[in-house]
Amino acid sequence: AQSVTQLDSQVPVFEEAPVELRCNYSSSVSVYLFWYVQYPNQGLQLLLKYLSGSTLVKGINGFEAEFNKSQTSFHLRKPSVHISDTAEYFCAVSRANAGGTSYGKLTFGQGTILTVHP
Amino acid sequence: DGGITQSPKYLFRKEGQNVTLSCEQNLNHDAMYWYRQDPGQGLRLIYYSQIVNDFQKGDIAEGYSVSREKKESFPLTVTSAQKNPTAFYLCASVSGTLYGYTFGSGTRLTVV
Repeated sequence: AQSVTQLDSQVPVFEEAPVELRCNYSSSVSVYLFWYVQYPNQGLQLLLKYLSGSTLVKGINGFEAEFNKSQTSFHLRKPSVHISDTAEYFCAVSRANAGGTSYGKLTFGQGTILTVHP
Repeated sequence: DGGITQSPKYLFRKEGQNVTLSCEQNLNHDAMYWYRQDPGQGLRLIYYSQIVNDFQKGDIAEGYSVSREKKESFPLTVTSAQKNPTAFYLCASVSGTLYGYTFGSGTRLTVV
């Protein structure tokens, strides 16, 4: 089974400052990793995903994440945040190449609320 | 445009009543999922279905039931056996090629 820990429940930051949202995972098998964003009372939107290849993954809205297998981490970063980035962010993991009933199942972290102040 | 439609957006239920949440997708995705979201707990898997007329329990299936009679539809029934049903419910589907969830906009259920 996989598990995900998001190390910060809330991250306040000023506009135009850089931000890092931390995510660690635990798994005995290879994994796929995802970051999602959720605005109030809405569903989740995929920001980026790591399936294979380059460990630095670029996503939408200027976000990027780096897969670090040795540290089992997948931290999300943005060099300069905007007020509109205020939202809750979820890290998620699934088994790589999973088939059968395991296909598509994601395990989510508890979420990190990013608040961008003017 | 293709997507997932959840209805209603807000739902109020009296204790002891069953209620059904609708989830419809026109993405031609085979796999569909129901998650429950509570503050500070992330998303927890209730039920999922990978093909029509088949579904599996997730981590917190007690007090819930589902059906999958059509590829496009995956309704969730919250029964009176669910002791704490007040939550935000999210439906999702998965593309086999893109391997990323598409989420609906959610239904907020409140028991009064």
